[in-house]
Amino acid sequence: EAQVTQNPRYLITVTGKKLTVTCSQNMNHEYMSWYRQDPGLGLRQIYYSMNVEVTDKGDVPEGYKVSRKEKRNFPLILESPSPNQTSLYFCASFSGNTEAFFGQGTRLTVV
Amino acid sequence: LAKTTQPISMDSYEGQEVNITCSHNNIATNDYITWYQQFPSQGPRFIIQGYKTKVTNEVASLFIPADRKSSTLSLPRVSLSDTAVYYCLVGGLKTGANNLFFGTGTRLTVIP
Repeated sequence: EAQVTQNPRYLITVTGKKLTVTCSQNMNHEYMSWYRQDPGLGLRQIYYSMNVEVTDKGDVPEGYKVSRKEKRNFPLILESPSPNQTSLYFCASFSGNTEAFFGQGTRLTVV
Repeated sequence: LAKTTQPISMDSYEGQEVNITCSHNNIATNDYITWYQQFPSQGPRFIIQGYKTKVTNEVASLFIPADRKSSTLSLPRVSLSDTAVYYCLVGGLKTGANNLFFGTGTRLTVIP
């Protein structure tokens, strides 16, 4: 079954404590992306990756890092989380014609 | 980069046809137009995709005029379960459109 798996689903952390949200896809897609979703702001792109070792900034990259060491995995790293990064995060994997497959989402709270 | 504009919200009664329009004036020659549906706390899911003219599947139709600067998602006879946020996405990975913007979407509320 084609799927994108994100972990964890829920996370509460404290300001400044590094965290990683994992994302894995089993469709051999080249393009993967991270989005955050906040009330009234829709889905905003954080980072994307066109292929292994190729990443680039989206609309709201500040405070985030990503890596793409292998095609299936695209983790999102918050080196020093702050309360304004409290949000719902989605990882997505795209087929060649931009059909997107989304993970279940990660609800992050930074206190 | 083809950014999109959609109405923020729409209301409809059960059983009616709903049309949601998306404007994308800067669409590139090889861009596809794709629509997604999102329920609360879930990731968006694919509904329909087209390049030009009309596309129909078991859940929706997509109308694209000749200039491709807009598109209309048509949902026939909506039910309460169609209450969701609908996004249009314009882009094409093959053309090097690297940023794929979803925008703010249209919140559809179906009323009994």
